[in-house]
Amino acid sequence: GDSVTQMEGPVTLSEEAFLTINCTYTATGYPSLFWYVQYPGEGLQLLLKATKADDKGSNKGFEATYRKETTSFHLEKGSVQVSDSAVYFCALIAGNMLTFGGGTRLMVKP
Amino acid sequence: DGGITQSPKYLFRKEGQNVTLSCEQNLNHDAMYWYRQDPGQGLRLIYYSQIVNDFQKGDIAEGYSVSREKKESFPLTVTSAQKNPTAFYLCASRPGTGLYEQYFGPGTRLTVT
Repeated sequence: GDSVTQMEGPVTLSEEAFLTINCTYTATGYPSLFWYVQYPGEGLQLLLKATKADDKGSNKGFEATYRKETTSFHLEKGSVQVSDSAVYFCALIAGNMLTFGGGTRLMVKP
Repeated sequence: DGGITQSPKYLFRKEGQNVTLSCEQNLNHDAMYWYRQDPGQGLRLIYYSQIVNDFQKGDIAEGYSVSREKKESFPLTVTSAQKNPTAFYLCASRPGTGLYEQYFGPGTRLTVT
């Protein structure tokens, strides 16, 4: 079946550091890929998405590129802020159901 | 504004009582979902519904029940049979078939003592 694997957290960075959160997937067919962000005590918000190979999703300085050859969708940001502290979920959909990774907690220190 | 509302945000119940969590959407989405999230954990699917008057069990349906009498509404009942009901509950919806993302509500934190 479909699956998503994310790097385990927490990831702790200083403000303005470069961020990478790894995400790899297994899916039948041609999935769409997503990154969601969850701030403390809130629901999940869609951060970015990509629907086909080599697409780059981007939003609020975050980027991720759909790499079919490596089945990856790594999340990156050039300079993180304290306000980026949250849990990040990678997800895919190949049929009717979304499959989520386990989430990666990011903590950014001033 | 279109979106998903969940109420209340915090809910407290005594052990042995059933409790119903509300989820309403005005996005005209066909599919709706309930997830459970425990502290520091990912999402686990409880129930989902692809169409009115139809729903399917997810991975952890035991001790929960749902109904889908209207397109906009998908309430979740946590019954006394659920052994460990204290958790954060998230409702979501999506347009239906197709490779669309899900939209999430703000969540309800249920505490049972």
